[in-house]
Amino acid sequence: GQNIDQPTEMTATEGAIVQINCTYQTSGFNGLFWYQQHAGEAPTFLSYNVLDGLEEKGRFSSFLSRSKGYSYLLLKELQMKDSASYLCAVVDSNYQLIWGAGTKLIIKP
Amino acid sequence: DVKVTQSSRYLVKRTGEKVFLECVQDMDHENMFWYRQDPGLGLRLIYFSYDVKMKEKGDIPEGYSVSREKKERFSLILESASTNQTSMYLCASSFNGGDVNIQYFGAGTRLSVL
Repeated sequence: GQNIDQPTEMTATEGAIVQINCTYQTSGFNGLFWYQQHAGEAPTFLSYNVLDGLEEKGRFSSFLSRSKGYSYLLLKELQMKDSASYLCAVVDSNYQLIWGAGTKLIIKP
Repeated sequence: DVKVTQSSRYLVKRTGEKVFLECVQDMDHENMFWYRQDPGLGLRLIYFSYDVKMKEKGDIPEGYSVSREKKERFSLILESASTNQTSMYLCASSFNGGDVNIQYFGAGTRLSVL
């Protein structure tokens, strides 16, 4: 079967750095997305990786290792507004998105 | 900015009722999707559509149907609502082409079936 694993919940301090991991086992791989979802709101696109390596976008970076079936989202200089759920999703061989359950990130002052 | 609008944020229905969830997108996207989101689970695909009048079953289509009569509108229908269909329903749309098909989501409809 297809499986995406993420930690259920993480806590970090304002101004710090946090890394949210995502491991996957899917039938094929055609890219990996990270989305942010604030409570009660729509998921919004953060990043996309299809090749190995690090993609940096401001305070957020996303890393991919296809050989290890592993990605992480790195958030720097954490702000209170970063409190949200972070969803990892893999594009499988049928070009369908397989979603992880999401990681709830709690930021403390 | 892409806008995906779901007609209701909250709905309360009774078991056995027929329920319509509406979704409209304003970016001329070919692809539209319906998901449900439940605590502790990833988004699960119910149905999707790549074109007007076209529909494909997702992972959990049982108990649901869809309609796409116009490109911008994708409706999810619960023929006879049951309590296990209480959930958050998310609609999404995406452009069909390019290297990265980002899905844009609506704010969701939280449906309670009593």
